[in-house]
Amino acid sequence: EVQLVESGGGLVQPGGSLRLSCAASGFTFSSYWMHWVRQAPGKGLVWVSRINSDGSSTSYADSVKGRFTISRDNAKNTLYLQMNSLRAEDTAVYYCARDDDFGIFDYWGQGTLVTVSS
Amino acid sequence: QSALTQPPSASGSPGQSVTISCTGTSSDVGGYNYVSWYQQHPGKAPKLMIYEVSKRPSGVPDRFSGSKSGNTASLTVSGLQAEDEADYYCSSYAGSNNFDVVFGGGTKLTVL
Repeated sequence: EVQLVESGGGLVQPGGSLRLSCAASGFTFSSYWMHWVRQAPGKGLVWVSRINSDGSSTSYADSVKGRFTISRDNAKNTLYLQMNSLRAEDTAVYYCARDDDFGIFDYWGQGTLVTVSS
Repeated sequence: QSALTQPPSASGSPGQSVTISCTGTSSDVGGYNYVSWYQQHPGKAPKLMIYEVSKRPSGVPDRFSGSKSGNTASLTVSGLQAEDEADYYCSSYAGSNNFDVVFGGGTKLTVL
């Protein structure tokens, strides 16, 4: 059974940092591109970042470029999102999602809440 | 990087059909046959309902169907059931040089 389990969310002050993790199981993690998608309270889904299967290629939404870094450890079957210089508008539930191909997200984690507030 | 355009709400009575539109550009919806639709119930993670415009993953009822014409994709839910009440989001591949994936703003489907 495919499982994606996010962790690392919490309350952080503006300007602070946080690292999210997404533990994958039930499939060959190293064969899949992975993404982070976020959802602000009461708002819609917003794509955040993508990493290819071996970690050699990444992309980011304009809103997080230069502040967030996506990475993966295929030996640990884990996806990461390092978030720096956090702003109030980064407050959201962050989901990791498996990319079956061309942005088709066939499995999602349960999400982890990040709250940026003083 | 603009979001795809969806109506904020849609509704229908049990047994009826409802269609939700999703409008993009030639750089996303119109340029690729990689439109997906997701269902999200409150407090839950999104669930893939339609991929590659009109394909259904295993386990998704055939009451759900998708189509595309030009820059606009559509999701049709036939034979509405109470459990179909949820938020629905479209998404489209936008090219790896162009911010991989773009989502619509979401449509709240109400079963009357």
